[in-house]
Amino acid sequence: DVKVTQSSRYLVKRTGEKVFLECVQDMDHENMFWYRQDPGLGLRLIYFSYDVKMKEKGDIPEGYSVSREKKERFSLILESASTNQTSMYLCASSLLGYQPQHFGDGTRLSIL
Amino acid sequence: DQQVKQNSPSLSVQEGRISILNCDYTNSMFDYFLWYKKYPAEGPTFLISISSIKDKNEDGRFTVFLNKSAKHLSLHIVPSQPGDSAVYFCAASANTGNQFYFGTGTSLTVIP
Repeated sequence: DVKVTQSSRYLVKRTGEKVFLECVQDMDHENMFWYRQDPGLGLRLIYFSYDVKMKEKGDIPEGYSVSREKKERFSLILESASTNQTSMYLCASSLLGYQPQHFGDGTRLSIL
Repeated sequence: DQQVKQNSPSLSVQEGRISILNCDYTNSMFDYFLWYKKYPAEGPTFLISISSIKDKNEDGRFTVFLNKSAKHLSLHIVPSQPGDSAVYFCAASANTGNQFYFGTGTSLTVIP
C-alpha cells in the first residue's frame, strides 16, 4: 500500500519566517504534488514535480517554492510566511500523471 | 476560475437511502474523472474513477455517472451507511497534462 508521509501534522510559525514542509512517498512514484485546502475553495494545486529536480507551477505558486532532490522526497518552502498562508497543506503522489493520486494526512499550518 | 464545481456544500441522508453527489465541469478537454473521500484529519482517499469513453462505472455501493453533453457527473451511494459520512471531492483531468482540478467538496452526513 502506498504511503505518503508528511513530516508534521500541526505547525505554528511567525510571519516572515522561512517554512519547510516535507513529504516522503515510499512507492517510487514519478509524480508528486503540493495542494492547499481552504474552506469553500477545495484543493488548489501549488506545485507539482514529474521527475527529480523538475517542477511545474500549479494554480497558486506565488509565495511558495519547491525542491525535489530525491525521487521520494518533495519539499514545499514558504519563502517568507504570511498570515494568508495559514491553511491545510496536502502532499500527494502518483505513478503517472494520469492516475489517481495518493495523499498524505496533511499539515495544518498556522502563521501568526 | 473554478473549472470543477460542486454546488452543494452539504448533504444529509438517512441510513439505507441513496446519496447523490453532483459535480459540474466547464473544460470540454477533461476526459478522466475521479471521486475522493476525505475524513477529518486525514488526507483524501481515492474512491472511484470514470473515463470519458464510459457513461457509468460501478464499484460495490458506489456508482459514478458521466453526462458529457451536460458536463456533469454524479456519485451515487446506495445504500448509504453512517461510515460514508465524509467530504467528497470530484476531480477532473485532461489527457494532455499531469494536473487534476478539484471541486470544492460536498460534506455528506448519513443519519443513523
